[in-house]
Amino acid sequence: QVQLQQWGAGLLKPSETLSLTCAVYGGSFSGYYWSWIRQPPGKGLEWIGEINHSGSTNYNPSLKSRVTISVDTSKNQFSLKLSSVTAADTAVYYCARGSTDHIVVVPAASYLDYWGQGTLVTVSS
Amino acid sequence: QSVLTQPPSASGTPGQRVTISCSGSSSNIGSNTVNWYQQLPGTAPKLLIYSNNQRPSGVPDRFSGSKSGNTASLTISGLQAEDEADYYCAAWDDSLNGRVFGGGTKLTVL
Repeated sequence: QVQLQQWGAGLLKPSETLSLTCAVYGGSFSGYYWSWIRQPPGKGLEWIGEINHSGSTNYNPSLKSRVTISVDTSKNQFSLKLSSVTAADTAVYYCARGSTDHIVVVPAASYLDYWGQGTLVTVSS
Repeated sequence: QSVLTQPPSASGTPGQRVTISCSGSSSNIGSNTVNWYQQLPGTAPKLLIYSNNQRPSGVPDRFSGSKSGNTASLTISGLQAEDEADYYCAAWDDSLNGRVFGGGTKLTVL
């Protein structure tokens, strides 16, 4: 059974860098895309970006200038860094696995089938 | 403002059939597959429908999905109290080169 377990600092001050890590247990790490998604309190889902095991990334254009997603295949982990945070970045952050029925995962044809438990990150002075 | 448009709310009584729409454009729904997620209060989203109309193992066949042109729909037949949740559609957007979500629909079982 695939499990995604995530962790990171839950309280940040404005201008600091958000840092979260997601570990994958119980399944293959290669052959998938690994995503970060966030959800501000009481609001909808916003995709942040994704990475595959080779380090190929796709980012939300609205966040691209502040986002870095990296991967550590030796630990089956991937990480999110979001710089210069403000109160608008306060949200529950989720990691998720992008899968497909095809042999090769093509992001445009993929779906998020396993999710982490979520981490509430609050930005406040 | 979400790229995909969903009604903010929907409701029905137990046993009824409810349909939630998701409207997009040729760069997302019109050219790529649509997925639906269910989010129960206080929990992470769960994959409900993928590739327009496929159900993951364990999802009841009361849930079905369809797509026509730039619009997708999620239908819940035989509504149950446990279906009360937020529902999100999602697709890849070729213009943005990224995933986009609908704003979510809060389903209330009366």
